[in-house]
Amino acid sequence: DIQMTQSPSSLSASVGDRVTITCRASQSISSYLNWYQQKPGKAPKLLIYAASSLQSGVPSRFSGSGSGTDFTLTISSLQPEDFATYYCQQSYSTLPFFGPGTKVDIK
Amino acid sequence: QVQLVESGGGVVQPGRSLRLSCAASGFTFSSYGMHWVRQAPGKGLEWVAVISYDGSNKYYADSVKGRFTISRDNSKNTLYLQMNSLRAEDTAVYYCAKEGFEGDGGNSGGMDVWGQGTTVTVSS
Repeated sequence: DIQMTQSPSSLSASVGDRVTITCRASQSISSYLNWYQQKPGKAPKLLIYAASSLQSGVPSRFSGSGSGTDFTLTISSLQPEDFATYYCQQSYSTLPFFGPGTKVDIK
Repeated sequence: QVQLVESGGGVVQPGRSLRLSCAASGFTFSSYGMHWVRQAPGKGLEWVAVISYDGSNKYYADSVKGRFTISRDNSKNTLYLQMNSLRAEDTAVYYCAKEGFEGDGGNSGGMDVWGQGTTVTVSS
């Protein structure tokens, strides 16, 4: 099974900050990596698929990069509505596990 | 509009069974693989099971293999999760989710549509 890790597990940031979250796979997954945002009490929302493709309707301040085992989600200028938990997920294998999540809260 | 609506959650005793449903609308249901994902209280997302667009392939997380069965009825645009031998650790919000791309390998587009979730509580 392919295991996913994320760092940090949580971070505090201010509006306007540039935020970077890292995701690592236990083996190479090419570019089969997706990012989701989840707010409390709500379903997850797809932000990025295939490592760097922006899902329709998602603001351009979100971007993704990486391939192989190491991936990054970047929020270029954090907005109030971006405070949430972010999950990566690999779609390389038939068992598409999620990472443990990164909680972004207000400094 | 594209929509997924889960139902069937509730409170159930350990060892009993429950069947969840996910009604799809606004897209060609029979063209997309579908997933169940759960989230225990205060925890992260846990992928549970996937079924291919035509129902021919099914895969499960080890934590539910042998106890849960995913199925679909493309004539009714509905996804199911039959949960047997339920345990306290199965307590969670259960979401159904649609793959982003049609056909085989559709999960390479992520899970682009999610339901609102249905809560399952396993307790005596």
